[in-house]
Amino acid sequence: DTEVTQTPKHLVMGMTNKKSLKCEQHMGHRAMYWYKQKAKKPPELMFVYSYEKLSINESVPSRFSPECPNSSLLNLHLHALQPEDSALYLCASSPSRATLYGYTFGSGTRLTVV
Amino acid sequence: GIQVEQSPPDLILQEGANSTLRCNFSDSVNNLQWFHQNPWGQLINLFYIPSGTKQNGRLSATTVATERYSLLYISSSQTTDSGVYFCAKDGNLQGAQKLVFGQGTRLTINP
Repeated sequence: DTEVTQTPKHLVMGMTNKKSLKCEQHMGHRAMYWYKQKAKKPPELMFVYSYEKLSINESVPSRFSPECPNSSLLNLHLHALQPEDSALYLCASSPSRATLYGYTFGSGTRLTVV
Repeated sequence: GIQVEQSPPDLILQEGANSTLRCNFSDSVNNLQWFHQNPWGQLINLFYIPSGTKQNGRLSATTVATERYSLLYISSSQTTDSGVYFCAKDGNLQGAQKLVFGQGTRLTINP
């Protein structure tokens, strides 16, 4: 299994809603990542998890809250988002945070905040 | 400063044409990857190529690390090749490897 699976594929939420994005991989990778991608821009790193622990937070607002319940799962909890947070949210994994070899992206969740 | 530059930003071709996409980087590279993002958003890893040449079907890539550039060649283009092509190099972030992306080349293959 060489896939990173993200759910849902599309999400529309109001500014007062709470929602979660989910990411799952079964490749035995020990590093997992969240990226945000705005239209016509490259992906921007948000968070790095290494061995289920938050390793890097790229100064992301607290309305985005990541969680790694186990080595296969990564969640991104969303609360009180703004319309400018609308974007494609990509999850990725790699064998470890020390290597880019084997980096694999999911197909993303397209989020619209209304 | 800009670490990864891609050219051209946009490329429109007819089916069957060949194309070359370029990626210049401003400092040394230990890892370099090419990705294809399809119109649905999926980022697919095409090549992990810190140096040398690799081929996979109609696609091939060459990285000349000493001259700080990489090239992606697409031969006999098909409409399914459309999308955005990103190159990304390694960047060190608090002891972790991160991907530093270029701005991408948007390729459109017309039938």
